[in-house]
Amino acid sequence: GAVVSQHPSWVICKSGTSVKIECRSLDFQATTMFWYRQFPKQSLMLMATSNEGSKATYEQGVEKDKFLINHASLTLSTLTVTSAHPEDSSFYICSARDGRWADEQFFGPGTRLTVL
Amino acid sequence: DQQVKQNSPSLSVQEGRISILNCDYTNSMFDYFLWYKKYPAEGPTFLISISSIKDKNEDGRFTVFLNKSAKHLSLHIVPSQPGDSAVYFCAASSGNTGKLIFGQGTTLQVKP
Repeated sequence: GAVVSQHPSWVICKSGTSVKIECRSLDFQATTMFWYRQFPKQSLMLMATSNEGSKATYEQGVEKDKFLINHASLTLSTLTVTSAHPEDSSFYICSARDGRWADEQFFGPGTRLTVL
Repeated sequence: DQQVKQNSPSLSVQEGRISILNCDYTNSMFDYFLWYKKYPAEGPTFLISISSIKDKNEDGRFTVFLNKSAKHLSLHIVPSQPGDSAVYFCAASSGNTGKLIFGQGTTLQVKP
């Protein structure tokens, strides 16, 4: 089956620093990747849609200048949390859609971000 | 505005019995529905999906039913196994965008 990886799996950083999270599709080309965040015991909330070679589309209420998304290739998308604050602490999950089967979407294992 | 709702935060079922997880939605534009299983600190794992043109889809022990008029779908697991214990999310999308709107999740516990 299709595999999506995320790196790092967890990260702790100081308030004010920036953190980059990578999402890779390991055995397929992902024309579209999605970024979600999940607070404890809550639902997954879509943050943005990332298409290879174009600007990301952000959901309402998500600050695009704070959550920078880059989809430089068909197998890699990155999410950079800039000037992180404790309220940004969350579980960030990416998913990737295989261009061959538009309905299939595969999730990464997630990244736990803790901002001190 | 919660477009996808799972009103039962938890469900406990005896092994071998049927587990029924429910999901309601408000957006009539949704045309594709999915169920995911998730463990803590892991990404969701796809279970089963259904298109709005169908009212039932079955895959092994998992069956999803869709009632469009009621804007309601349910996931049936039979027979339930202890390994099914996890958080189950329903999700919906529209127009082949791939953007998924998730419910709040239901924690299923299957007791031996």
